[in-house]
Amino acid sequence: GAVVSQHPSWVICKSGTSVKIECRSLDFQATTMFWYRQFPKQSLMLMATSNEGSKATYEQGVEKDKFLINHASLTLSTLTVTSAHPEDSSFYICSAHLPGLGPNYGYTFGSGTRLTVV
Amino acid sequence: EDKVVQSPLSLVVHEGDTVTLNCSYEVTNFRSLLWYKQEKKAPTFLFMLTSSGIEKKSGRLSSILDNKELFSILNITATQTGDSAVYLCAVRNTGTASKLTFGTGTRLQVTL
Repeated sequence: GAVVSQHPSWVICKSGTSVKIECRSLDFQATTMFWYRQFPKQSLMLMATSNEGSKATYEQGVEKDKFLINHASLTLSTLTVTSAHPEDSSFYICSAHLPGLGPNYGYTFGSGTRLTVV
Repeated sequence: EDKVVQSPLSLVVHEGDTVTLNCSYEVTNFRSLLWYKQEKKAPTFLFMLTSSGIEKKSGRLSSILDNKELFSILNITATQTGDSAVYLCAVRNTGTASKLTFGTGTRLQVTL
């Protein structure tokens, strides 16, 4: 149980276009979703925290107008990279917090999206 | 600002060796420390530690927390090539945001 489905798993887009990444919680309601970015051989860096029905909270240095996060329902959160540039190429991964499922849960991750901007 | 530092950054060992990975942290209002294994995609959960001195064990992997000295170790005994991965340590504070702060990761390579 507690699966987060992330799509697409990889995407190549042209510079200047926008890309939308979706994370769906399949068998639970995700009131909170975290969005991370991971550059090659680096750790996961938290970009923003999204809560269902409210505005996302962005970490310092993350442009909220560039990385649009929508969490309109309890089972879907989306990250849209707007006007993508090659430096936005990275691995993006979402994670849902699961407060009620016991000590061995807590967080479940999507499978990640590798974005390449050309 | 919460901070997590892992060492070593990378490690190459022979199959059968035992390895110890380190994680030190500075966090306001510590709640828990988590270890993850990341191969190619999403991190997979290994352990969550909240209490100092209590070892958690799963097969050849074990972990312990010292929340006085602010560190944790992850031990892997009798390593296998399938253990090759990046091992991530993350801490969570007691804030309502429930967010995790990840360390730099340790890249482990197990060779034959």
